[in-house]
Amino acid sequence: GEDVEQSLFLSVREGDSSVINCTYTDSSSTYLYWYKQEPGAGLQLLTYIFSNMDMKQDQRLTVLLNKKDKHLSLRIADTQTGDSAIYFCAERPMGGGFKTIFGAGTRLFVKA
Amino acid sequence: EAQVTQNPRYLITVTGKKLTVTCSQNMNHEYMSWYRQDPGLGLRQIYYSMNVEVTDKGDVPEGYKVSRKEKRNFPLILESPSPNQTSLYFCATSAGGRPTDTQYFGPGTRLTVL
Repeated sequence: GEDVEQSLFLSVREGDSSVINCTYTDSSSTYLYWYKQEPGAGLQLLTYIFSNMDMKQDQRLTVLLNKKDKHLSLRIADTQTGDSAIYFCAERPMGGGFKTIFGAGTRLFVKA
Repeated sequence: EAQVTQNPRYLITVTGKKLTVTCSQNMNHEYMSWYRQDPGLGLRQIYYSMNVEVTDKGDVPEGYKVSRKEKRNFPLILESPSPNQTSLYFCATSAGGRPTDTQYFGPGTRLTVL
């Protein structure tokens, strides 16, 4: 079945780059998403990529997709303390109806 | 301002006492969904609705009911809550059900069932 896995914690220094990794198992064409959850708030969509793309860049965010290894990463350049949050990887397989599968989330700590 | 509101934000209740968590949106969105978030498990979909009077089960529907009598509201009903339903619940909405339709999440409802 489908599964999305992420490491649970990441700690970086302010100004460094953060790389949050995710692996997924679905073998069909799929949309892959990154969400951010700040304390006490709901999830906010950061970006998404379709599985026929290799990379997508949006300001400080770069998404890389290795379709062969089913590996997705989110790179945050010049990480700031305001980037401290939980980041969720999610997958929505084509042909899977309205089902979105979320990873457990990676908690990013940014040290000043 | 585009909003997804949930009420209550926090609730402590006892086993077996029926409760309803409301979700309301002002964006005229067709698609609405309920998730629960548990540590180490991420978000799991409970129910979703494609439009008024159209609902379907997600991954973990047991113990929950929903209704969609109006487009803007999508309440989550726990007829007989149990401690394993202690969780953080999120309502989400999107204009449609397409993968490129952004899902907007409410602020969450933290439920504790004793």
